[in-house]
Amino acid sequence: QQPVQSPQAVILREGEDAVINCSSSKALYSVHWYRQKHGEAPVFLMILLKGGEQKGHEKISASFNEKKQQSSLYLTASQLSYSGTYFCGTGTSSNTGKLIFGQGTTLQVKP
Amino acid sequence: DGGITQSPKYLFRKEGQNVTLSCEQNLNHDAMYWYRQDPGQGLRLIYYSQIVNDFQKGDIAEGYSVSREKKESFPLTVTSAQKNPTAFYLCASSIVAGGTQPQHFGDGTRLSIL
Repeated sequence: QQPVQSPQAVILREGEDAVINCSSSKALYSVHWYRQKHGEAPVFLMILLKGGEQKGHEKISASFNEKKQQSSLYLTASQLSYSGTYFCGTGTSSNTGKLIFGQGTTLQVKP
Repeated sequence: DGGITQSPKYLFRKEGQNVTLSCEQNLNHDAMYWYRQDPGQGLRLIYYSQIVNDFQKGDIAEGYSVSREKKESFPLTVTSAQKNPTAFYLCASSIVAGGTQPQHFGDGTRLSIL
């Protein structure tokens, strides 16, 4: 029941784009995206809700396909600061904050 | 500044010993969570609490216990029944329980076996 993230790892040059996917076998109510740098706490990026709109700010955006129970995170014109591990957390209920996290996608941006 | 404070940053446990990890938040959040992270893995939910004096088991609660006597505090005890406790433990909170709210994380406690 853990969501599956793909790819597991990606290496980019500064300015290149990336897409990270998160796929669940369960009916989802919400998808959360977080970024974690090595040895640090995860940092919240955005939430997508069932019936909600695509979210985004500046060069990071995300979509949620409710029919396929899939979410994608789009990183545009990547910067060095985007390096880290990206996790999706999936929720199946609006009543609890219980999330199941994917295994993570490691992104490395090189100069 | 508001935030979540976890202590200690590093903790060592002897065989047969119980240890308690502290988590305090001054964000006035109702909900709090404990996660375990193993190297190269995602976060797995141990326990969560939606309100004071109430908590529920997560996916890997065996060998752990919690209490929620105050809104701002959610300590986690790793008991001797947890045979493989070495991991990075993260505490989080959200303003209310529910999948619509982001979770804010503390800096974590790294637990190792002596």
